[in-house]
Amino acid sequence: QLQLQESGPGLVKPSETLSLTCTVSGGSINTESYYWGWIRQPPGKGLEWLGNLYYSGSTYYNPSLKNRVTISMDTSKNQFSLKLNSVTAADTAVYYCARVLFAAHCGSSSCSHHYYGMDVWGLGTTVTVSS
Amino acid sequence: QSILTQPPSVSAAPGQKVTISCSGTSSNIANNYVSWYQQLPGTAPKLLIFDNIKRPSGIPDRISASKSGASATLDITGLHTGDEADYYCGTWDNSLNTWVFGGGTKLTVL
Repeated sequence: QLQLQESGPGLVKPSETLSLTCTVSGGSINTESYYWGWIRQPPGKGLEWLGNLYYSGSTYYNPSLKNRVTISMDTSKNQFSLKLNSVTAADTAVYYCARVLFAAHCGSSSCSHHYYGMDVWGLGTTVTVSS
Repeated sequence: QSILTQPPSVSAAPGQKVTISCSGTSSNIANNYVSWYQQLPGTAPKLLIFDNIKRPSGIPDRISASKSGASATLDITGLHTGDEADYYCGTWDNSLNTWVFGGGTKLTVL
């Protein structure tokens, strides 16, 4: 059974970098079958997608984060990570990692990927930005 | 303000049916796959529906969904108090180049 577990500091100072890791057990992240993503939820608010990562190293980020976000993977540890720099109080949230399902639509010469949704989620980790 | 519009709250009596709507545009729902999530208080979201209408293994058939044009709906029948949760729709937006979630709908089972 696939499980995801977020870890990292619960408190980050303003202007510093938030760093979280998602450890995956029960399956390999080094697979062409899924993407891996990060989603956050500010206190009392809705869900916000941060970005996705494919085993090839391709990444896709929420443009609203204005180049502050980086997602990477360490296949030797079966982990993927989130870095968010120049944080402010607005980045205070519960951060979730998730596995992402997708469909491949293939033409004569190439395929495009279309997300179905996030089917396995971690429990989430709370990050507070405060001095 | 969310790109996908959901009613803030819905309610129904135990045993009854509720429908939650998710309204979008040609940039998102109309041309991409919709998924639905249930978030019980204090827990992570759980996938209920993907690929517009498909249920993952373990999701009961009293939960169903549909999509027509730029709108999607989630139906839950045979309501019980354990269904009280926040429900979110989600899809890709081709114009924004981002995954978007609805603002969420709080379901109360009276």
